[in-house]
Amino acid sequence: KAGVTQTPRYLIKTRGQQVTLSCSPISGHRSVSWYQQTPGQGLQFLFEYFSETQRNKGNFPGRFSGRQFSNSRSEMNVSTLELGDSALYLCASSSGLAGFTTDTQYFGPGTRLTVL
Amino acid sequence: AQSVTQLGSHVSVSEGALVLLRCNYSSSVPPYLFWYVQYPNQGLQLLLKYTSAATLVKGINGFEAEFKKSETSFHLTKPSAHMSDAAEYFCAVSSNTGNQFYFGTGTSLTVIP
Repeated sequence: KAGVTQTPRYLIKTRGQQVTLSCSPISGHRSVSWYQQTPGQGLQFLFEYFSETQRNKGNFPGRFSGRQFSNSRSEMNVSTLELGDSALYLCASSSGLAGFTTDTQYFGPGTRLTVL
Repeated sequence: AQSVTQLGSHVSVSEGALVLLRCNYSSSVPPYLFWYVQYPNQGLQLLLKYTSAATLVKGINGFEAEFKKSETSFHLTKPSAHMSDAAEYFCAVSSNTGNQFYFGTGTSLTVIP
C-alpha cells in the first residue's frame, strides 16, 4: 500500500498570504488528522476529519481550517499567515473506525512552511 | 487537560548500551499512551501503544515501555542501541475523552559508535 502523501513538501509564503496544504491518506483510510510541529511549541494537534466532517479539533485560531473530500483526501488552509505559522505540518491517516485516538495513525512526511 | 513531560531533550548513548527515554504523564490516567519515532525529514512512526491491556508493552525495533501508575511514567527502553536508532522520540497521550492527542517536546537520541 502506498503511504500517506503530502504536497507540496516545501512552501515559502509571505505574511498576510494564505496557503493550502494537501494530504492524501492511505487507501481505505477515512480519518485524516493534522498536526503542527515547531521548535518552540513542539507537536500540536490541529484537527481531525472523518467522512468529510470535522470530528475533533485542537486549540488553534479560526485562521486554521480544513476540509475533507469524498475520496478522503484532505486539505488544510491557513489564512492571513503570520511569522509564527512557520512550521512542519504533518498529516496522518487511520481507518477511523475504532476512534481517533484508538486507531494507529500513519504519518506523512510533512509540508515545511516558511513564512517570511 | 492531559499533559506529557519528556525529561531530557537530548540523550546520548554508546552503541550496544541501554536506551532509556523518560516520559511522565499528568496525574489522571490517560486512556492511551504512545511512543513515536521521527527520523530526519520524515513523519512520525508509531513504536508502541499502551491501552491498559498490559503494563509492559513491546513495540517495533526491539523497543518496549512499561506503564507505572504509581510513578505516572511510561519510559521507553531498548536493551542495546543501534546506530539506526538515532532519531527524535515523542511520547504522547490521548485525552480522557479520546478526541485529542498531547505530545511531549521530544527527545533527540544520539548513538555514539
